Amino acid sequence: DQQVKQNSPSLSVQEGRISILNCDYTNSMFDYFLWYKKYPAEGPTFLISISSIKDKNEDGRFTVFLNKSAKHLSLHIVPSQPGDSAVYFCLSDGGSQGNLIFGKGTKLSVKP
Amino acid sequence: GAGVSQSPRYKVAKRGQDVALRCDPISGHVSLFWYQQALGQGPEFLTYFQNEAQLDKSGLPSDRFFAERPEGSVSTLKIQRTQQEDSAVYLCASSLIQGKRGGRRTEAFFGQGTRLTVV
Repeated sequence: DQQVKQNSPSLSVQEGRISILNCDYTNSMFDYFLWYKKYPAEGPTFLISISSIKDKNEDGRFTVFLNKSAKHLSLHIVPSQPGDSAVYFCLSDGGSQGNLIFGKGTKLSVKP
Repeated sequence: GAGVSQSPRYKVAKRGQDVALRCDPISGHVSLFWYQQALGQGPEFLTYFQNEAQLDKSGLPSDRFFAERPEGSVSTLKIQRTQQEDSAVYLCASSLIQGKRGGRRTEAFFGQGTRLTVV
């Protein structure tokens, strides 16, 4: 049973448009979330995070929104660029020792 | 190097063979995590160290899996009598974080992973 769920395995977007990646979680005690990005043959790299005391965090083209009542978060990328093509993982640091719990990932393809 | 280093990058093992996967974390990082990523799946937690102490090994799938970090730096994940279902990418991550009871939240840095194929 997945505690962090990314229900869309893939997403294709045109360059310059908005990419929206979605994530749901099951445990209302989770209070910190992260997005990591992974290129083929590389390890995941940190992108952006959000604490449950906020409902939005923005960093350049990347914005993460958190809806605690719905246990849902989303990552918006505007404008999308071909170099954004990668697998995006939604994570919670909700493990008992602070370990990171991953979703299955969404593969984003940005078409030029 | 500046990042987390894992070796080997690729390992092919015959079923029943023992393997050892190495992780060199970023110098000074207290926390070290091992994850297993099967094809088409997200990484699944295996085990966690704080310095040399293994604080959580709840994710290890069987007693064939063993991890150690004897001096609080380099870690080794050992898999005995490998099976085909052990085929996966094994990711190591390190961070400054002390864990939820201790410190501030900081970013976890991942290595490139070791792709293990059991034939």
